[in-house]
Amino acid sequence: AQKITQTQPGMFVQEKEAVTLDCTYDTSDPSYGLFWYKQPSSGEMIFLIYQGSYDQQNATEGRYSLNFQKARKSANLVISASQLGDSAMYFCAMASYQAGTALIFGKGTTLSVSS
Amino acid sequence: GAGVSQSPSNKVTEKGKDVELRCDPISGHTALYWYRQSLGQGLEFLIYFQGNSAPDKSGLPSDRFSAERTGGSVSTLTIQRTQQEDSAVYLCASSLAGGFGNTIYFGEGSWLTVV
Repeated sequence: AQKITQTQPGMFVQEKEAVTLDCTYDTSDPSYGLFWYKQPSSGEMIFLIYQGSYDQQNATEGRYSLNFQKARKSANLVISASQLGDSAMYFCAMASYQAGTALIFGKGTTLSVSS
Repeated sequence: GAGVSQSPSNKVTEKGKDVELRCDPISGHTALYWYRQSLGQGLEFLIYFQGNSAPDKSGLPSDRFSAERTGGSVSTLTIQRTQQEDSAVYLCASSLAGGFGNTIYFGEGSWLTVV
């Protein structure tokens, strides 16, 4: 069965600090992709970063990096130098051939950044 | 427009009425998805369209839900005889092509409230 687990319902961090949002996944499919999305209070899902299962290096996009540990089936999102605008809900998601066409989402982590 | 466009952004309807939600995907994107997000929850896959192929309807929760995609572009999600449990945000997304390697971009959602 395909499953995404985000164990942190809420995280609190101060501006300029780094924060790690945890994500573990379960799949027996050797080919899969892992995504992180940000959902601010406006409701839109904003794509942040993607990691393919065969990618040798961890993905990075600006202040976002994905700490991909394949053997442990984890794909944690690291946000460096947090900003107030980073306050939002963050979702980890997975796509694989076994899952068919749908992205499978975790339940999300709420990040609150304070000044 | 540059992104996925959804309308209406907010809809309040009486129980038992039918509603239609519209999605205009990113130009050139052949894959289109509908997801549902209940308050404080993750995203639930509803339906997927890819080109001229038969849609994947495996996520539709009941036969009151249906969706069409005309001309390979605009899609309409219809909910018949709405119930209070249908209250949620309905998110439309598109990607350049189907398959798990393609990033899925979301619209801002249609907030449906059934009273």
